[in-house]
Amino acid sequence: DAGVIQSPRHEVTEMGQEVTLRCKPISGHNSLFWYRQTMMRGLELLIYFNNNVPIDDSGMPEDRFSAKMPNASFSTLKIQPSEPRDSAVYFCASSSEGAIEQFFGPGTRLTVL
Amino acid sequence: SQQGEEDPQALSIQEGENATMNCSYKTSINNLQWYRQNSGRGLVHLILIRSNEREKHSGRLRVTLDTSKKSSSLLITASRAADTASYFCATDIFKAAGNKLTFGGGTRVLVKP
Repeated sequence: DAGVIQSPRHEVTEMGQEVTLRCKPISGHNSLFWYRQTMMRGLELLIYFNNNVPIDDSGMPEDRFSAKMPNASFSTLKIQPSEPRDSAVYFCASSSEGAIEQFFGPGTRLTVL
Repeated sequence: SQQGEEDPQALSIQEGENATMNCSYKTSINNLQWYRQNSGRGLVHLILIRSNEREKHSGRLRVTLDTSKKSSSLLITASRAADTASYFCATDIFKAAGNKLTFGGGTRVLVKP
């Protein structure tokens, strides 16, 4: 099993640019989570989907952030425009129906200059 | 504010010693989990304890849960250098929609050979 796949692994961009992070959950999992990790704020849940439908986006910082899940095998997190304070490691995780354990991807390290 | 708070924030021990870390939370929970994160990697699920359980074992791991004190502890026995990582507790809150988790700030454990 390939596990949760995220791309890119590293992204360096300039302030104001659009950034798109991608995630492929584990096949058969029906819940997908986007987290952000920083030293200051720790691990924060941004948004999660169940059966491709956004359930809770209360953690999305502001309108610059948006997430989509067009099908069961793909999700994107977009930041437009990006700002230096968005620099963080962004994780995607998935879980199966009725399960509590989440499986994390390797993360995308985003640096906004 | 975070639901789970780990204590201590950092721990340094010699190989072979036991490592104990604690997690406190604020509201009633369904389950509590512990995850490990190696440097530069995603989180990996270690063990889950349900709210009606008091103690659980998995290999060298021992988890306790005291719902009256809203706290949990993770004990790693006979530590190894490979146990060097950050450890996070995660709670899913009673009656919350889906399986949304809230993570604590983590305990960084260094096991010296």
